[in-house]
Amino acid sequence: QLQLQESGPRLVKPSETLSLTCTVSGDSINSRSFYWSWIRQPPGKGLEWIGNIYYSGGTDYNPSLKSRLTISVDTSKNQFSLTLTSVTATDTAVYYCATRRINYFEHWGQGTLVTVSS
Amino acid sequence: EIVLTQSPATLSLSPGERATLSCRASQSLYTYLAWYQQKPGQAPRLLIYDASKRAADIPARFSGSGSGTDFTLTISSLEPEDFAVYYCQQRSNWPPVLTFGGGTKVEIK
Repeated sequence: QLQLQESGPRLVKPSETLSLTCTVSGDSINSRSFYWSWIRQPPGKGLEWIGNIYYSGGTDYNPSLKSRLTISVDTSKNQFSLTLTSVTATDTAVYYCATRRINYFEHWGQGTLVTVSS
Repeated sequence: EIVLTQSPATLSLSPGERATLSCRASQSLYTYLAWYQQKPGQAPRLLIYDASKRAADIPARFSGSGSGTDFTLTISSLEPEDFAVYYCQQRSNWPPVLTFGGGTKVEIK
């Protein structure tokens, strides 16, 4: 059964870089079945798609975050990662990694709360 | 960008009652719409995809319908574990963006 687990720092200072990793188990990140995705949810608010990467390395990014965002994949570790630069308090959120079929998100990690604060 | 509007924001019902949740899109989605359930402190769970297809292990009391711009999630008879927040989600071709509605909270009356 496919499982996803987010990891990374829980506290990031304003203007610095947020970095998270998602470890995939139960399937290969080289699978052509999924786009490997990031989604976030500010406390008490709704869901926002951040972006995704395909096994080939191709990416789709939310235009609102594109200038600060990089999603990459490490096939040797079966992981994919998120890097968001120049963070502010508005980037405080629970960050989820998920598998995306073309039109929807099928499997989700448990999520990790990242707080941007000095 | 396609905007999804969910209504009502809150639905107050009793166990055993029927819940009808609406999701309206600002442009036609054909049937590229999904529904998720989220409980406090948990990740969202996929319920319905392609407007009307139930995801794996989702009970038959959950059903989805609609096409174009108007979609509905129906819970035929609410169980205690169904009280949660529900989100709809779409994928647009251009720009290639996925967006969520604002959510409907189904609460115990």
